[in-house]
Amino acid sequence: AQSVTQPDIHITVSEGASLELRCNYSYGATPYLFWYVQSPGQGLQLLLKYFSGDTLVQGIKGFEAEFKRSQSSFNLRKPSVHWSDAAEYFCAVVGGYNKLIFGAGTRLAVHP
Amino acid sequence: GAGVSQTPSNKVTEKGKYVELRCDPISGHTALYWYRQSLGQGPEFLIYFQGTGAADDSGLPNDRFFAVRPEGSVSTLKIQRTERGDSAVYLCASSWGQGNTEAFFGQGTRLTVV
Repeated sequence: AQSVTQPDIHITVSEGASLELRCNYSYGATPYLFWYVQSPGQGLQLLLKYFSGDTLVQGIKGFEAEFKRSQSSFNLRKPSVHWSDAAEYFCAVVGGYNKLIFGAGTRLAVHP
Repeated sequence: GAGVSQTPSNKVTEKGKYVELRCDPISGHTALYWYRQSLGQGPEFLIYFQGTGAADDSGLPNDRFFAVRPEGSVSTLKIQRTERGDSAVYLCASSWGQGNTEAFFGQGTRLTVV
């Protein structure tokens, strides 16, 4: 069965520091992978997606993610974090009928 | 509207009562999904509609949960005999379907059963 693991429940970084959020997936075939961000009281917003092709994908708000098949990973990165990036981040893989299977999320706090 | 709309945004109900949660998808989107997000968890799939029919309801936790989409647009999630464990944020998402997997989410309905 498909699954997504986000090993870090909570991460704190200083503003301006780099960020990497980890995501590992379990899926038999070539996965379709997503990163979503959820701010308090807001819905889920798509940051980026990987379907095929270039394994380094660029998203909105300066985020990028790299698909590594050998490690079953799809880690999210940002070179310089802004205070407004504080939110919860979810990695997801597409399962049958295009439904999304989410990880438990990583809550990001940003210190000034 | 421009996005997925969910009403109400908040619902407080007493244990044992019946509730209905509404989702108005993006116009033209044939695929509609319901998810449930418990505190501190990621969203969990409940049910998927393609058009008017429920193509996959494998995520519904038990027979107290039911959803309809009679005209292939608006969907209603219905919960009978609510329990405190049903308290969660219920999210709706829609997409073009037919292989296009990018789903757009509503802001959710926060259900609290007291």
